[in-house]
Amino acid sequence: DAGVTQSPTHLIKTRGQQVTLRCSPKSGHDTVSWYQQALGQGPQFIFQYYEEEERQRGNFPDRFSGHQFPNYSSELNVNALLLGDSALYLCASSLDRGTAEAFFGQGTRLTVV
Amino acid sequence: QKEVEQDPGPLSVPEGAIVSLNCTYSNSAFQYFMWYRQYSRKGPELLMYTYSSGNKEDGRFTAQVDKSSKYISLFIRDSQPSDSATYLCAMSGFDGGTSYGKLTFGQGTILTVHP
Repeated sequence: DAGVTQSPTHLIKTRGQQVTLRCSPKSGHDTVSWYQQALGQGPQFIFQYYEEEERQRGNFPDRFSGHQFPNYSSELNVNALLLGDSALYLCASSLDRGTAEAFFGQGTRLTVV
Repeated sequence: QKEVEQDPGPLSVPEGAIVSLNCTYSNSAFQYFMWYRQYSRKGPELLMYTYSSGNKEDGRFTAQVDKSSKYISLFIRDSQPSDSATYLCAMSGFDGGTSYGKLTFGQGTILTVHP
């Protein structure tokens, strides 16, 4: 049973560019959440997708947007990249059924130069 | 004040020691409590998941939740060098009708177990 998979593993972008990160949830999971983890910090919630809709959002600007597809996979898009967007981006999948148990992918390390 | 406070350490212990990791929180709506282990440059791995107050044991790991004190703990018995990692506490709650999917994390505690 494949767990949560993310692509790409590493990415280097220039300030001002746009980036798209991808996530495939654990088999059977219908909910995908995205987190940003800066070095030495805990992950910070960006947003959550369920039934192809953004259901909940953290304190992140509109430059951060996402999408969920009918097969439950998801994308995170970041526009107008800033140096401060450099971080590990984590995708977590869960079941929308009375549990908060969430499983994470290995992350995408984004470096903005 | 952060919603979840976790001592970042670092914590260094000899092999075989009992390790105690702790988090405090301020949001009374939190009902689900998790501990994750994160190796360097990897994603967090779910170790323990508990609902409400009480204890839960899984092998060498024991999780405790005290909702009255807003305090959670993770104990690791007979610690091994392979336990060296960052340990993150995370919490979630059903917050006035929104989903309980959002996790709020502590900063993480860096643990080193030396042979």
